[in-house]
Amino acid sequence: GQQVMQIPQYQHVQEGEDFTTYCNSSTTLSNIQWYKQRPGGHPVFLIQLVKSGEVKKQKRLTFQFGEAKKNSSLHITATQTTDVGTYFCAGSGTYKYIFGTGTRLKVLA
Amino acid sequence: NAGVTQTPKFRVLKTGQSMTLLCAQDMNHEYMYWYRQDPGMGLRLIHYSVGEGTTAKGEVPDGYNVSRLKKQNFLLGLESAAPSQTSVYFCASVGQGSSPLHFGNGTRLTVT
Repeated sequence: GQQVMQIPQYQHVQEGEDFTTYCNSSTTLSNIQWYKQRPGGHPVFLIQLVKSGEVKKQKRLTFQFGEAKKNSSLHITATQTTDVGTYFCAGSGTYKYIFGTGTRLKVLA
Repeated sequence: NAGVTQTPKFRVLKTGQSMTLLCAQDMNHEYMYWYRQDPGMGLRLIHYSVGEGTTAKGEVPDGYNVSRLKKQNFLLGLESAAPSQTSVYFCASVGQGSSPLHFGNGTRLTVT
């Protein structure tokens, strides 16, 4: 079946450093979504990418969808302590959502 | 507007006991999902429903059953709990396919 992998599994950064997580699917995705889960919380939707090669920005966060629609990345510029949490990508079809394994980010002040 | 509500928040079971987790949404969403979250394994889909009266298996359905008798409710049952079912369970719903998922706050289940 479809698999979605994310790397790295964990990342510790100093506050102010940049951070990137990568998402790779075994099959072509119709679209990809990104979610953030704060420690002890539930996943919260961040953004959705639909088009091949699409790039979207939300303040310090930049999201990219690969040309082949099989991979995606999330880049955070100048991390802050509020960025702590686990970031998940999810490939969504008509009604099925398959989540990546997640990248857990810790930001050291 | 409550969104997606899960009950209970915490539960401890002994091996072999049964229980039902309830998920309720007040957004008139068509699709509902049950995921389990384990360290290092992300969110894995257990079962899902594309409408009232329908259910389907996800990636890891064994040991679980579900029912969607009412559109707003999606129940997850464990007939005979096993330690391997110790996990955090999340319910989610969405109005249209490929739209963002709305998650409940989760149920932390421990099976001893």
